[in-house]
Amino acid sequence: DQQVKQNSPSLSVQEGRISILNCDYTNSMFDYFLWYKKYPAEGPTFLISISSIKDKNEDGRFTVFLNKSAKHLSLHIVPSQPGDSAVYFCAAVSNTGKLIFGQGTTLQVKP
Amino acid sequence: SAVISQKPSRDICQRGTSLTIQCQVDSQVTMMFWYRQQPGQSLTLIATANQGSEATYESGFVIDKFPISRPNLTFSTLTVSNMSPEDSSIYLCSVGNRGTEAFFGQGTRLTVV
Repeated sequence: DQQVKQNSPSLSVQEGRISILNCDYTNSMFDYFLWYKKYPAEGPTFLISISSIKDKNEDGRFTVFLNKSAKHLSLHIVPSQPGDSAVYFCAAVSNTGKLIFGQGTTLQVKP
Repeated sequence: SAVISQKPSRDICQRGTSLTIQCQVDSQVTMMFWYRQQPGQSLTLIATANQGSEATYESGFVIDKFPISRPNLTFSTLTVSNMSPEDSSIYLCSVGNRGTEAFFGQGTRLTVV
């Protein structure tokens, strides 16, 4: 069973607009979430995280929102830039400390 | 942060053969992790490589298929044994405390023909 789901395999936005990437999870015990970005031929790199005691965390152009009642989090990128084009993974930390990843969403930002 | 070097970056292998992937970290770390990303799938943890003891495998992964070595605090290897086309994936090593941000190597893209 997929405990962390990213239901949109791809997203295309225009440069300067907002990108919104979504992630759903099933386990209400998850209390820490992370977003990773992955370019082709590179490993994932950490982007931003959020603890379940918060509903928002912001870092520059990147903001992550957490809705615990809906078991949903989203990553907002504004303004989007062509260099943001990559695969984005959300991950949840299990109660054993293991990272559980979603399937990834490929973001394309068009100039 | 940590700098992780992984090699080979890619390989094409014949079915039935084995491939050993190396992971070198620029600092001493307690735990190293090996992940697999099958085409169109999420990253899945294969095992945790512990220095001085046997690796801890996740459900669905066994030592005979994915033997792991961890001779010191900066190095680990993962072997994919008796390969079949279903083993075609990206294999990634990672370091970092469980539950916090992890750092990844660039990955090894394996194609089994």
